[in-house]
Amino acid sequence: DGGITQSPKYLFRKEGQNVTLSCEQNLNHDAMYWYRQDPGQGLRLIYYSQIVNDFQKGDIAEGYSVSREKKESFPLTVTSAQKNPTAFYLCASSTQGADLYGYTFGSGTRLTVV
Amino acid sequence: AQSVTQPDIHITVSEGASLELRCNYSYGATPYLFWYVQSPGQGLQLLLKYFSGDTLVQGIKGFEAEFKRSQSSFNLRKPSVHWSDAAEYFCAVASSGTYKYIFGTGTRLKVLA
Repeated sequence: DGGITQSPKYLFRKEGQNVTLSCEQNLNHDAMYWYRQDPGQGLRLIYYSQIVNDFQKGDIAEGYSVSREKKESFPLTVTSAQKNPTAFYLCASSTQGADLYGYTFGSGTRLTVV
Repeated sequence: AQSVTQPDIHITVSEGASLELRCNYSYGATPYLFWYVQSPGQGLQLLLKYFSGDTLVQGIKGFEAEFKRSQSSFNLRKPSVHWSDAAEYFCAVASSGTYKYIFGTGTRLKVLA
């Protein structure tokens, strides 16, 4: 079945560490997105990519980095510059008609700083 | 500025009762509107969407929503709630040709047996 796979489901980070969250899709979608979810704040866009080798900053990109070397993959790195990384991270993808067809979401990665 | 407001943070209903979750948006152009549902610890699932045509749209799991341009609202409804509907519900808006959504802050639904 087609879908989006996020891994790991739970991730623990020590202070000063970089960590990378994986997102893979087999839906042949062109666009991919990373959202951060905090209680009571809804979803906030970190980065998005409409095509391979191109991506744009979202509303809260500071302290994060991404790459899009393959259509299927859009990994997110949470760097040590992100001062408050504890959150639930959601990856999504869409066809070029995201406004018409909506997003498909992965099941998320919960990142905790220890 | 574009925004989406979900005025109710928490709603509790009894199983079998009707449900209405409110969503108001602020958008200059014709909006594309969505409702998503999220079970605890999971991703979001699309319930329904509106972009043109009939202002009453049907979705999955027995949900429907009505677009009211005059009130800038897109409220989600269900005639009879089931215990499995307990989840968090998000309203979202996008504009034509964009990849970016604006999400509301969510409404958490609790269902009493």
